[in-house]
Amino acid sequence: GAVVSQHPSWVICKSGTSVKIECRSLDFQATTMFWYRQFPKQSLMLMATSNEGSKATYEQGVEKDKFLINHASLTLSTLTVTSAHPEDSSFYICSARAISRGGTEAFFGQGTRLTVV
Amino acid sequence: RKEVEQDPGPFNVPEGATVAFNCTYSNSASQSFFWYRQDCRKEPKLLMSVYSSGNEDGRFTAQLNRASQYISLLIRDSKLSDSATYLCVVNKNDYKLSFGAGTTVTVRA
Repeated sequence: GAVVSQHPSWVICKSGTSVKIECRSLDFQATTMFWYRQFPKQSLMLMATSNEGSKATYEQGVEKDKFLINHASLTLSTLTVTSAHPEDSSFYICSARAISRGGTEAFFGQGTRLTVV
Repeated sequence: RKEVEQDPGPFNVPEGATVAFNCTYSNSASQSFFWYRQDCRKEPKLLMSVYSSGNEDGRFTAQLNRASQYISLLIRDSKLSDSATYLCVVNKNDYKLSFGAGTTVTVRA
């Protein structure tokens, strides 16, 4: 199947600093990618839809100035958590859709575990 | 009300047992349905799509009931490797996926 690569897989940062997470589609082009956040024992919550060449679309309650999304090419989307605080500690995961033998399937990056101390 | 609701479990079953669980969804306009598997601290991976007529993939059987707006997953002859969290995922026609919180299954030797 298609491969989505996410980096880094984990990061620890100090409160107030910014962290950039990269999401790459390795063997296909993705005009749209999705960024999710998952807290322990909770479901994946969609944060925003990243659109290549245009502004991201944020879900209600997600601060666009805090979670900066850039989708500058058909294979790369980045999420920057600005001025991170301990409550931003979570599992961040990206996704892109690609054609598979079963139809259109969502493929996920490996996720980034962010810990803000 | 959450868009997708699941029994969190955990379901603790012995090897070889059959385990089944459901999820319900709130949006009657939902178009497509999936079961994903998520291992601890890993990304979700597609287990199977769920079709209106029901479908089977090896030991896994999925059913969809549109009238009652629920989806089910049945695992036969469970293996130790089936231990995971199973996510019910629902898609409207705008490519956005809604995830349940997951049902945890633990298969013991």
